[in-house]
Amino acid sequence: QVQLVQSGAEVKKPGASVKVSCKASGYTFTGYYMHWVRQAPGQGLEWMGWINPYTGGTDFAQKFQGRVTLTRDTSISTAYMDLRRLRSDDTAVYYCARLRAQNTVTDALDIWGQGTMVTVSS
Amino acid sequence: QSVLTQPPSASGTPGQRVTISCSGSSSGIGSNTVNWYQQLPGAAPRLLIYSDDQRPSGVPDRFSGSRSGTSASLAISGLQSEDEADYYCALWDDSLFGVVFGGGTKVTVL
Repeated sequence: QVQLVQSGAEVKKPGASVKVSCKASGYTFTGYYMHWVRQAPGQGLEWMGWINPYTGGTDFAQKFQGRVTLTRDTSISTAYMDLRRLRSDDTAVYYCARLRAQNTVTDALDIWGQGTMVTVSS
Repeated sequence: QSVLTQPPSASGTPGQRVTISCSGSSSGIGSNTVNWYQQLPGAAPRLLIYSDDQRPSGVPDRFSGSRSGTSASLAISGLQSEDEADYYCALWDDSLFGVVFGGGTKVTVL
């Protein structure tokens, strides 16, 4: 079945970097944009950015510009989110989510990963 | 920039109908379709409604969505205990070239 499986929980110190992976299965990885969304403890959903797995093109929410990198490895159908210069307020669950429609960046997010908890603490 | 406003909470007894609003701007909801997500406690979000009023397969028809002007709404009819969750509206914002989420509404089944 169509699913996204993310890497496990991480604990990082302030100033460090974290890389979260998101492995896709059950569909053509390069046919659907992948978005990243995070959720701080007890808070709402916050959109971070997207990657086009076919071209590698990316875009991000302004607040993450310069700190986040989205990449993919098409040979293993996996997307990655790399967040640098971590701060305590980056503590959150990070989700990857697939766009519902093919070959468009504007649609609903229909398949979500299980989430990866990233804790930033000294 | 689009801002989506939802009430923080809503509640109802089993079998009742509950409606959640999502209000925005003319450049947001006024221009783009709205999607709704359900997040059960401790779980990842799940797509509930897309393109204002479309249900993905597997979503019960108790859930319905609508949009008019600069507002959208999600209705849950025949409320059930398993509907107790957080609900988020969201849309694609052309000016941000990204997704905007509402603040979320916690639905409690009394």
